[in-house]
Amino acid sequence: DTEVTQTPKHLVMGMTNKKSLKCEQHMGHRAMYWYKQKAKKPPELMFVYSYEKLSINESVPSRFSPECPNSSLLNLHLHALQPEDSALYLCASSQGDRTNYGYTFGSGTRLTVV
Amino acid sequence: EDQVTQSPEALRLQEGESSSLNCSYTVSGLRGLFWYRQDPGKGPEFLFTLYSAGEEKEKERLKATLTKKESFLHITAPKPEDSATYLCAVQALAGNNRKLIWGLGTSLAVNP
Repeated sequence: DTEVTQTPKHLVMGMTNKKSLKCEQHMGHRAMYWYKQKAKKPPELMFVYSYEKLSINESVPSRFSPECPNSSLLNLHLHALQPEDSALYLCASSQGDRTNYGYTFGSGTRLTVV
Repeated sequence: EDQVTQSPEALRLQEGESSSLNCSYTVSGLRGLFWYRQDPGKGPEFLFTLYSAGEEKEKERLKATLTKKESFLHITAPKPEDSATYLCAVQALAGNNRKLIWGLGTSLAVNP
């Protein structure tokens, strides 16, 4: 299994809603990442988990809350988002957080905040 | 300041018309250069990792090369299905961590 699976593929939420994005991989990768990508821009790093511990938080607003329940799963909890948070949210994994190997990306969740 | 610049921003080719995409970089402590392909609304798909100057890698119609200042992605006899955005990213040291620095991408369109 060489995939990173993200659910849901699309999500529309109001500014007062609470929702969660999910990411799963079964490649034995020990580093997992959340990225945010706006149209015609490269991915922007949000969080890095290394061996299930948060190792990097790129000054992301607290309305985004990551969680890593185990080595295969990564969640992103969303609360009180703003319309400007609408974007493609990408999960990725790699063999380690200092990897020289490629990062495997999921297909993303297209989030629209109304 | 660490920086990755890709050119051209957009490229339109006829099917079979070979060309090259450029990724120039200035980083301290290079720990690998990555090429990705991204289709609209999808996540980036890993293509190649290059570690040292002089290294080359090939996959089907694609060939990536690396010098101390830049990388090229050569596309030989492209087909319409090669149409996508090609992203270059450099992994550099950032304190005790490693950080991916991305270029803005080259949008490639191959006409039949």
